[in-house]
Amino acid sequence: SAVISQKPSRDICQRGTSLTIQCQVDSQVTMMFWYRQQPGQSLTLIATANQGSEATYESGFVIDKFPISRPNLTFSTLTVSNMSPEDSSIYLCSVVLQGPLSYEQYFGPGTRLTVT
Amino acid sequence: AQKVTQAQTEISVVEKEDVTLDCVYETRDTTYYLFWYKQPPSGELVFLIRRNSFDEQNEISGRYSWNFQKSTSSFNFTITASQVVDSAVYFCALSEAAGNKLTFGGGTRVLVKP
Repeated sequence: SAVISQKPSRDICQRGTSLTIQCQVDSQVTMMFWYRQQPGQSLTLIATANQGSEATYESGFVIDKFPISRPNLTFSTLTVSNMSPEDSSIYLCSVVLQGPLSYEQYFGPGTRLTVT
Repeated sequence: AQKVTQAQTEISVVEKEDVTLDCVYETRDTTYYLFWYKQPPSGELVFLIRRNSFDEQNEISGRYSWNFQKSTSSFNFTITASQVVDSAVYFCALSEAAGNKLTFGGGTRVLVKP
């Protein structure tokens, strides 16, 4: 497995501000993803964080709102920009560990964001 | 497009009862991967199992067992002799390629009462 940490673990932010969430993995991974979990809902993929190139966003998510960086194979950031109360969610990063006979996908502990 | 359906939104049982969580999926790919995750009240997502589409063997791990049936596109999860610590939301998810993004079902909340 992988040890994944996220910072901050939670935050309360004012509308109109931005928050950057960090995801750190204890080993080099090829694939990293960012998901959102709105209150009482399931998880929805925001984007795939690509190392050395722009992130790949899912339908309904745009780079201006959720800019992502992936400077190396162990670290990524997600920024939630110009926040509104609708952005109140848990944001989770996930990584893929892939071997010759295995493939697992693990999640970080999440960042619980409340926008007031 | 892929889709995962967990028809049961909430299940309530008394401790020591068995509980089965249903998961039905849709995909056009012949190779795909199915997952189950547990999300306890603390919020973290705990990996439980991953299944390849070409391996239909059922699996048992302690009190957990999984029944994969390609013919009905289902990947059901059973907790035997449930315990209060099993109370959580359980998510079924699908990936159409190794290392690819996950599509999640809506989740099933399991409440185990003492």
